[in-house]
Amino acid sequence: AQKITQTQPGMFVQEKEAVTLDCTYDTSDPSYGLFWYKQPSSGEMIFLIYQGSYDQQNATEGRYSLNFQKARKSANLVISASQLGDSAMYFCAMREEIQGAQKLVFGQGTRLTINP
Amino acid sequence: DVKVTQSSRYLVKRTGEKVFLECVQDMDHENMFWYRQDPGLGLRLIYFSYDVKMKEKGDIPEGYSVSREKKERFSLILESASTNQTSMYLCASSLYTGMGNSPLHFGNGTRLTVT
Repeated sequence: AQKITQTQPGMFVQEKEAVTLDCTYDTSDPSYGLFWYKQPSSGEMIFLIYQGSYDQQNATEGRYSLNFQKARKSANLVISASQLGDSAMYFCAMREEIQGAQKLVFGQGTRLTINP
Repeated sequence: DVKVTQSSRYLVKRTGEKVFLECVQDMDHENMFWYRQDPGLGLRLIYFSYDVKMKEKGDIPEGYSVSREKKERFSLILESASTNQTSMYLCASSLYTGMGNSPLHFGNGTRLTVT
């Protein structure tokens, strides 16, 4: 079963608008972490933001914020005031622990295009 | 800044060849990972290692093996390359910090084409 689901293969947004990228997850572990990464056309993976399952407040990092709704098992990324440089693939990921080791499970990704 | 270096940006190999993908990190991280990235499938974990000489299978280990003889180096081996292994391969490392925020740091990827 898919553990991380990103239902938007592609999104097109006008520059300066806010954009929400959806991510839902599935886990029975009470302790987990959620990450968002950006991958520009150059191919590098850039860590954006982290949310722990026990964090009381939604994570924020500059123009990025995470809309964490634990009961709905969703962790949507919100980008405020989008810029042309935000055009990229975005991946949601969940940390899970296997036999004492931790790994990240990724979603399928959303390709975001910012139009001028 | 953490640096994760993958030895090749592009590789073209023939079916049946043995292929080595090398990855080196410079921050003394315990954990290292190999993922492959395919359109529509996101990143899928092939193998990971949480210590020298230790390895664990990820979600798609078939057709691959790994080697970690030194802490900073993690090699992915395709024993007999096949065309369905044509993909982008991403190496990553992370510092183990219990259950806290410990993001993966990625290399720039190796695009492997098997003909």
